[in-house]
Amino acid sequence: GAVVSQHPSRVICKSGTSVKIECRSLDFQATTMFWYRQFPKQSLMLMATSNEGSKATYEQGVEKDKFLINHASLTLSTLTVTSAHPEDSSFYICSATDTGGGPLYNEQFFGPGTRLTVL
Amino acid sequence: DQQVKQNSPSLSVQEGRISILNCDYTNSMFDYFLWYKKYPAEGPTFLISISSIKDKNEDGRFTVFLNKSAKHLSLHIVPSQPGDSAVYFCAASGSSNTGKLIFGQGTTLQVKP
Repeated sequence: GAVVSQHPSRVICKSGTSVKIECRSLDFQATTMFWYRQFPKQSLMLMATSNEGSKATYEQGVEKDKFLINHASLTLSTLTVTSAHPEDSSFYICSATDTGGGPLYNEQFFGPGTRLTVL
Repeated sequence: DQQVKQNSPSLSVQEGRISILNCDYTNSMFDYFLWYKKYPAEGPTFLISISSIKDKNEDGRFTVFLNKSAKHLSLHIVPSQPGDSAVYFCAASGSSNTGKLIFGQGTTLQVKP
């Protein structure tokens, strides 16, 4: 199957700093990437849909100025948590899908996740 | 508003027996359903899916059943193995939201040797 990587896998930062999380599709072109957030023992909550070359679409209740998403290439999307606070501590997971009609059309593959801890 | 619900947070089954995980949904526009398996600190991995035009899909030890009238789906694992112990999420997608998945809360399955 296709591989999606995330970097870093774990990050600890001070309150007020910004953190960038990268999501890469390693062996396919991801026209669409999704960012999820998971609190302990809870569901994966979709934060935003990122399409290559266009602005991300955010779910209701997600602050677009706080969670900046950039999908500049077909293999890379980044999520930047700006001015992070302790309540932003969570497990962030990306997924990638090829909606461009390629061999992996519409299958969605998940990255391993990034554990963010804001002190 | 939780559109996809997994009402059982945990399930314990003896090795070799059947595991049945349940999922309910409220949005009648959902037409594609998936089951994912997840280990702690890892991303979900795809298990099996079913389209709303079917009521059953089978892949090895895994079978998913869909009851559209009841807005209910279930995942059957038989025989269950200790390696199946993980958190299982069901997810739903609508044709108007290509790729966008709505997840349930997850059910932690423990298969005892």
